[in-house]
Amino acid sequence: GENVEQHPSTLSVQEGDSAVIKCTYSDSASNYFPWYKQELGKRPQLIIDIRSNVGEKKDQRIAVTLNKTAKHFSLHITETQPEDSAVYFCAARDNQFYFGTGTSLTVIP
Amino acid sequence: DSGVTQTPKHLITATGQRVTLRCSPRSGDLSVYWYQQSLDQGLQFLIQYYNGEERAKGNILERFSAQQFPDLHSELNLSSLELGDSALYFCASSVGQGITGNTIYFGEGSWLTVV
Repeated sequence: GENVEQHPSTLSVQEGDSAVIKCTYSDSASNYFPWYKQELGKRPQLIIDIRSNVGEKKDQRIAVTLNKTAKHFSLHITETQPEDSAVYFCAARDNQFYFGTGTSLTVIP
Repeated sequence: DSGVTQTPKHLITATGQRVTLRCSPRSGDLSVYWYQQSLDQGLQFLIQYYNGEERAKGNILERFSAQQFPDLHSELNLSSLELGDSALYFCASSVGQGITGNTIYFGEGSWLTVV
């Protein structure tokens, strides 16, 4: 089955700086890569996703890039704000959803 | 609001007991997934149902079972509860069964505390 690895496990940035979270996957059949944001005690919420036929997708301050050859994808958050502080999960889907282990992002005001 | 409804939101029970968690998927979604999230842990996939049939099994204990009913709601049954079963249990749903399905949407979760 698919194996999704996520790094780093924790990340602290100053407000206004950029944050990058990276994930790798093992199964070349995976074709859909969503990212979820989970605030403490809340449900994971989809923030952005990318399909395997696209290399990059952007939504305001959030962007995701996909390198199919290297089997890795990344989440980029620019101009970080304190409300971006949360745990972020990447996922890859072949015929199942496989989640990374999460990155706890802290944005320091 | 994701459209996925879970009940109860909170539950406190004693070791050895049995509980049932309930999930109603988003309207039109045929797949239901169950995940367990312990404190400061990731999302552990338990089981998936598609249109009433079991589709995939993850790290689900034998003490746990689930089913999806004809109206597509699902129940997760946890029995002979242990302290380590205390966790946040998420239900999620998607349109399809994985290969052709779209995004997975999570419910608010059921907090289970075993004392």
